[in-house]
Amino acid sequence: DTGVSQDPRHKITKRGQNVTFRCDPISEHNRLYWYRQTLGQGPEFLTYFQNEAQLEKSRLLSDRFSAERPKGSFSTLEIQRTEQGDSAMYLCASSLDRGPLAEQFFGPGTRLTVL
Amino acid sequence: DQQVKQNSPSLSVQEGRISILNCDYTNSMFDYFLWYKKYPAEGPTFLISISSIKDKNEDGRFTVFLNKSAKHLSLHIVPSQPGDSAVYFCAASSNTGNQFYFGTGTSLTVIP
Repeated sequence: DTGVSQDPRHKITKRGQNVTFRCDPISEHNRLYWYRQTLGQGPEFLTYFQNEAQLEKSRLLSDRFSAERPKGSFSTLEIQRTEQGDSAMYLCASSLDRGPLAEQFFGPGTRLTVL
Repeated sequence: DQQVKQNSPSLSVQEGRISILNCDYTNSMFDYFLWYKKYPAEGPTFLISISSIKDKNEDGRFTVFLNKSAKHLSLHIVPSQPGDSAVYFCAASSNTGNQFYFGTGTSLTVIP
């Protein structure tokens, strides 16, 4: 399977705990995006990497959220001191660097539940 | 603020008929528009795209129309098939492609 993979698929945590999610993009894709999706809403942009550089970050993103892509391959998204409002599906997508119309390939998502 | 809006949360269409899904946006800096389809328990999959230099793009049964002056785009599916039943999202970006804004989605049901 050469698609985008995300791990874990489900995460249940208690409020105040830290969680980390991993995304493995398609190998030759140098663009990587993180989104958050809640029920009845579309994906909400969180952050964007071109190779290892984080070039864009949503101004709505709390400083409890941090993302890395250390070698320009896989990426991690960490949420510190989780809150119940962080409960959502976290989606990762990757694409080739062919401009804004380049097809983004999405992973299956990590569903986070904060109790 | 919701910069991309899909005002119809759901749509039902008979098999073989045309499905028309609509999308409106507010940011005049958006130049690139994409449609994605999403099945339950899966991530969205790309369907079709259009840039603002065009007003129409066609790919098989799928056609996207863009009216830049009205800040409106639509996706036409002809003929509709039961396998098209899914949630459809439109998304928009400026010319950098660094950030995409998605609508809230329209759930399409194609009735056999």
